[in-house]
Amino acid sequence: GQQLNQSPQSMFIQEGEDVSMNCTSSSIFNTWLWYKQEPGEGPVLLIALYKAGELTSNGRLTAQFGITRKDSFLNISASIPSDVGIYFCAGQLVQGAQKLVFGQGTRLTINP
Amino acid sequence: DAGITQSPRHKVTETGTPVTLRCHQTENHRYMYWYRQDPGHGLRLIHYSYGVKDTDKGEVSDGYSVSRSKTEDFLLTLESATSSQTSVYFCAISGVQGGEQYFGPGTRLTVT
Repeated sequence: GQQLNQSPQSMFIQEGEDVSMNCTSSSIFNTWLWYKQEPGEGPVLLIALYKAGELTSNGRLTAQFGITRKDSFLNISASIPSDVGIYFCAGQLVQGAQKLVFGQGTRLTINP
Repeated sequence: DAGITQSPRHKVTETGTPVTLRCHQTENHRYMYWYRQDPGHGLRLIHYSYGVKDTDKGEVSDGYSVSRSKTEDFLLTLESATSSQTSVYFCAISGVQGGEQYFGPGTRLTVT
C-alpha cells in the first residue's frame, strides 16, 4: 500500500534541545496530521494541517504542510522529558478518501 | 479527550477460538476504524465503517470481520484466532471523511 517515509526512525537528544522530524511521499496529500503515542496508550492528535504551506503551532510544537503537498515536518522546541514517545505523521491521500496513510513513526528519547 | 472506549483492554486466548473486540464512542461520529499495531509495521488498517451497517476492508482484513449495528459501537471479530493475530488493536473515530481521527486506548491481544 501507499507509504509515507518518516525520518528519522529514532532520536536520542538532551533535554532542552530542539527536535525536527519529517514525512515525505512521492504522492500528493490533501491533509497532514501529526500524532504522539506514549507507551500503553493510543495515538493522540497533536496538529492537523489542511492547506499547502500552512504553518501551525501547538505550544512548543510547530508543523508545516509542504508547498509541494508531498511532505510535512514537525518541530519541537526546547524539549522536556514528557516529550518522550513515538511521533507519527498521517495523511489523507486524495480528497474524499476515507482512509489515512500512516508513517512508521519517530521514537524520541530524551536524556535529562 | 474523545469519548472512545475499547473492551477488553487485555485478552489472552487460545489458537482457534473466536474473539470479539468492542469499540464504543459517545461522539456520534460517522466514521470508525480498526487498526492493528505491530513492531516494524506501524498502524495498519483492518476494516472501517462509514455508517451503520456500512463497512469496508482495509489493507490487512484477512481473518477479521466487523459489524456496526449502532452508530456508537463497532465490533471486530476474529473468527478463529491465530498466533499471527497477536497484536495491539486500536479503534479510531472521525467526524470528517478522511480527516482527523481520534484513537481509543487499545486492546492488547495475545493468541497462544
